[in-house]
Amino acid sequence: EIVMTQSPGTLSVSPGERATLSCRASQSVSSDLAWYQQRPGQAPRLLIYGASTRATGVPARFSGSRSGTEFTLTISSLQSEDFAVYYCQQYNNWPRTFGQGTKVEIK
Amino acid sequence: QVQLQESGPGLVKPSQTLSLTCTVSGGAISSDVYYWSWIRQAPEKGLEWIGYAYYSGHTYYNPSLTGRLTISVDTSKNQFSLQLSSVTAADTAVYYCARERKYRLPGAPESFDIWGQGTMVTVSS
Repeated sequence: EIVMTQSPGTLSVSPGERATLSCRASQSVSSDLAWYQQRPGQAPRLLIYGASTRATGVPARFSGSRSGTEFTLTISSLQSEDFAVYYCQQYNNWPRTFGQGTKVEIK
Repeated sequence: QVQLQESGPGLVKPSQTLSLTCTVSGGAISSDVYYWSWIRQAPEKGLEWIGYAYYSGHTYYNPSLTGRLTISVDTSKNQFSLQLSSVTAADTAVYYCARERKYRLPGAPESFDIWGQGTMVTVSS
């Protein structure tokens, strides 16, 4: 199975600052990469698919990019509601696999 | 809009079978466009994809769970179900159902675009 590795495990950021989250796939997944946001007590919410396409209703401050098997989620200016855990997930191969998550916390 | 809702017992005894149902509202599970998946999250842990069922009855399971797992679709009730046998404490988790598009279309979201709210299942005697 494809292993997804996220870094860092925790990111401490001040409101209004930029956050950069990374995800690496153990082999090529093309651009079949999604990002999810999970707030405490809630189900994950799809943010980005196709490595860089925002899902419906996702603010423009969220952006995704790809370089080979390295993927990045950038939140340009953190708002209070953005402090959450973020997961990457590949959907190029079965079984579908997720990264272990990056927690974005208030600095 | 399409909504998913999980239901089932919150407590299961070790060695017994965990059974959950996901009810789909606002859309037909018999659509050939989507896979219907189960995903779980152990306490304070990450997400683990369990498996999917397709409207035709075709299934695919995570190899880590094959042998204990059955996922089925009931198109007459617009539901799909999960059965996990011989459970242990390691199966304690929040279980989510989710939808994934099978066929890609420009402008249509990919991967797990709609999730249920999740249901907590504890395995304990």
